[in-house]
This record gives sequence, structure tokens and C-alpha cells, in this order.
Amino acid sequence: DAGVIQSPRHEVTEMGQEVTLRCKPISGHNSLFWYRQTMMRGLELLIYFNNNVPIDDSGMPEDRFSAKMPNASFSTLKIQPSEPRDSAVYFCASSLSLGTSNYNEQFFGPGTRLTVL
Amino acid sequence: AQSVTQPDIHITVSEGASLELRCNYSYGATPYLFWYVQSPGQGLQLLLKYFSGDTLVQGIKGFEAEFKRSQSSFNLRKPSVHWSDAAEYFCAVGASMEYGNKLVFGAGTILRVKS
Repeated sequence: DAGVIQSPRHEVTEMGQEVTLRCKPISGHNSLFWYRQTMMRGLELLIYFNNNVPIDDSGMPEDRFSAKMPNASFSTLKIQPSEPRDSAVYFCASSLSLGTSNYNEQFFGPGTRLTVL
Repeated sequence: AQSVTQPDIHITVSEGASLELRCNYSYGATPYLFWYVQSPGQGLQLLLKYFSGDTLVQGIKGFEAEFKRSQSSFNLRKPSVHWSDAAEYFCAVGASMEYGNKLVFGAGTILRVKS
């Protein structure tokens, strides 16, 4: 398996522009997670999906952030409009979740390094 | 709510020396515990995990960790560090929920290895 795939790997944009980050989870996994990593705040969970349904988006910083998962093999994280404080590395992870009686590890993608000027 | 504390932001060890990275967690139920490693510019890779059973778990790259419920700790150890172990290490506690699972990460410990 190719693992979790994220694109682009690097994104540089100007303040106010729309940014879309993409993620392809591991085939067969039914949970998908978006994380943000910064020096100041470490790794933060932004949102996670189970069977394509958003379960917990309490980590999404504000309305400028939105995430979708139209099917089991694709998810996007969009920032509109972007601001310099959104500069961070954004990770996508996936896992196979089988309810409360089972816990499987999360597999992380390589991340997208976003720089907003 | 669950939380993870990694008290050491940076640790420097000599190549060949032993290593212990500390991790303390807060979680009401039996925790699922993980150690991940992140090399510069890379994503996170799972080193080892504890779900239940033997409290000493073995992982990849010669790492092991011991779960101590009485101390709410899950410290990572390696008997002899190699220069390639220089990276950032994250401890995490998992919450198994009705729909999916969540991970809460510690702030990370940066390991430097000196020759």
C-alpha cells in the first residue's frame, strides 16, 4: 500500500487566498484525521471523520477552515481566506476503527507545509 | 479529558548511551498509549503501542516502553542510542469512542545525539 498520500507537499500563498489541502487515506481505512502542527501549539487535532461523516470538528480554529470527505478515498481541508497565522504543517492520518472494542493505530501522511505570506 | 505531558523538551545523549524519554498521561479509563517518532520534514511513524497485557512493550528500531498504571507513566527506553535516532518523539493517549478513535499528543521531546 502507498500509505496516506497528501498533496501538495509544500504550499506558499499570499494572505487572503484560498488554500486547499488534499488527502487520500489508506484503502480500507474508515477514519480520517486532520492535524495541524506548529512550534507554539504542537500537534492539534482539527477534525476527524468516520465513514465519511464528520464526527468531531471542535478543533477547527474558526469558520475560515472547512473540511470535506466526499468519499472514502478523498478528503480536503480548505482555508478561505488564509492568514499568516495559518502557516503550519498539516497532517492527514487514517485508521481502521471498529468501535469501542477495538483500537487501531493511525497512519500519518508526510504532511503539507503551508506558508501564508 | 485525556492529556499527555512530556516534561523534557530537549534531551541530548551520546551515541551508544542509554535513553529514557518520559511520558505521563491523564485518562479516566484504561488508556491506549503510543509513541511516535518524527524525523525532520517527515510524518509521524509509530514506534510502539500499549493496549493491554504485558506492561513492557517492544517496538521497532530497538525501542521499548513500560506502562506503569500507578505512576500514570509510559516511558520510552532504548539501551544504546544511534545517531539515526535523532528526531522528535511524541507520546500519545488514545480514546476509543463510539465513532472512531482520537489521539491526544504530548508536546514532544527533541532528541539530539552527539558523537
